[in-house]
Amino acid sequence: GESVGLHLPTLSVQEGDNSIINCAYSNSASDYFIWYKQESGKGPQFIIDIRSNMDKRQGQRVTVLLNKTVKHLSLQIAATQPGDSAVYFCAGGGDDKIIFGKGTRLHILP
Amino acid sequence: SAVISQKPSRDICQRGTSLTIQCQVDSQVTMMFWYRQQPGQSLTLIATANQGSEATYESGFVIDKFPISRPNLTFSTLTVSNMSPEDSSIYLCSVRTGNTEAFFGQGTRLTVV
Repeated sequence: GESVGLHLPTLSVQEGDNSIINCAYSNSASDYFIWYKQESGKGPQFIIDIRSNMDKRQGQRVTVLLNKTVKHLSLQIAATQPGDSAVYFCAGGGDDKIIFGKGTRLHILP
Repeated sequence: SAVISQKPSRDICQRGTSLTIQCQVDSQVTMMFWYRQQPGQSLTLIATANQGSEATYESGFVIDKFPISRPNLTFSTLTVSNMSPEDSSIYLCSVRTGNTEAFFGQGTRLTVV
């Protein structure tokens, strides 16, 4: 089955710096990968996704990179702000269900 | 997009009892899912709620413990049966509207004592 996991459980970043959150996956069958942000007491919120036939996608202040050779996914957040403080999950999906990875908590240092 | 309302938002229940969680969506959606998120953990998919037929359960989850209903395209319920403290968790309803994005409710925080 699908298995998606993360390298680091926590990440501390200086405000204004760029953040890079990494994720490894074991099953190549996912059609796409997604990054979610979860703030305390809330459900996960969609950030950005990438199709499995792409290697890079950019959004507003965020970039997702996909390296299928090493089965690695990353989320880059530019100019990290206090509002970026949250837990970030990578997930893999197909036509039906979405399976989540373990999560990384992002701490923003003043 | 889709707006999801879950009820209750939280509850404290006695062991051995059952709790039914409701999920209401503001539009008709094809796919609805139920996830569990244990404290400090990621989301684990419990089942896919199928409209008009039995839910599709993931490995480790069974219908007797987590019966699910989905009478129409905007509503679903998840029941946590015969609860034990190990069932203390956040339960989340999720929907997909046809593309890759999934929307989540705020979750139901369940504490079993």
